[in-house]
Amino acid sequence: DTAVSQTPKYLVTQMGNDKSIKCEQNLGHDTMYWYKQDSKKFLKIMFSYNNKELIINETVPNRFSPKSPDKAHLNLHINSLELGDSAVYFCASSQSRNIQYFGAGTRLSVL
Amino acid sequence: QKEVEQNSGPLSVPEGAIASLNCTYSDRGSQSFFWYRQYSGKSPELIMFIYSNGDKEDGRFTAQLNKASQYVSLLIRDSQPSDSATYLCAVPIYNLGGKLIFGQGTELSVKP
Repeated sequence: DTAVSQTPKYLVTQMGNDKSIKCEQNLGHDTMYWYKQDSKKFLKIMFSYNNKELIINETVPNRFSPKSPDKAHLNLHINSLELGDSAVYFCASSQSRNIQYFGAGTRLSVL
Repeated sequence: QKEVEQNSGPLSVPEGAIASLNCTYSDRGSQSFFWYRQYSGKSPELIMFIYSNGDKEDGRFTAQLNKASQYVSLLIRDSQPSDSATYLCAVPIYNLGGKLIFGQGTELSVKP
């Protein structure tokens, strides 16, 4: 069984659309994260939730809204997509702030 | 200075050689240090972590930590073409609430 799973793996959409990416972990971890990796491979944290509570909220446009229905799930909703949102988005989880385990990534292309 | 810095490379070594990857960090309060490997088109996977000054060995990998110099390195002995990947150094930054900050990664190419 995949420990951290994200869906979809690929997402191609038009500018202005709204899309969501889902993440689930079955490791029993209490902390989940969203990262963005740009074309230069730089991996930057966007959000982190601990037991459904938002603990890290980086300076990202408010078009990005995370939601954690329970500690095993962390979804990312993006409104009014822009060309600059094209990137690979990774979900990760950890127990407290220990080792983070990453999902396979969602490659978002905004046309 | 960036919180975590690595040489972006690419670093090219012949098969069988030792590859040496370096990382410096800005926060003297950092206590733990992680090395992730990322193959092209794949997700980062943890290969080493180190908490104490000195060396930590795991198979062909050795992590070296020098807190006084704020420097952590990863040595890969007997490099194989399958080691070709981007290696990411990651450090929780104490004065940012322990947030994990990744370096920009070093691209390693091992030539047969």
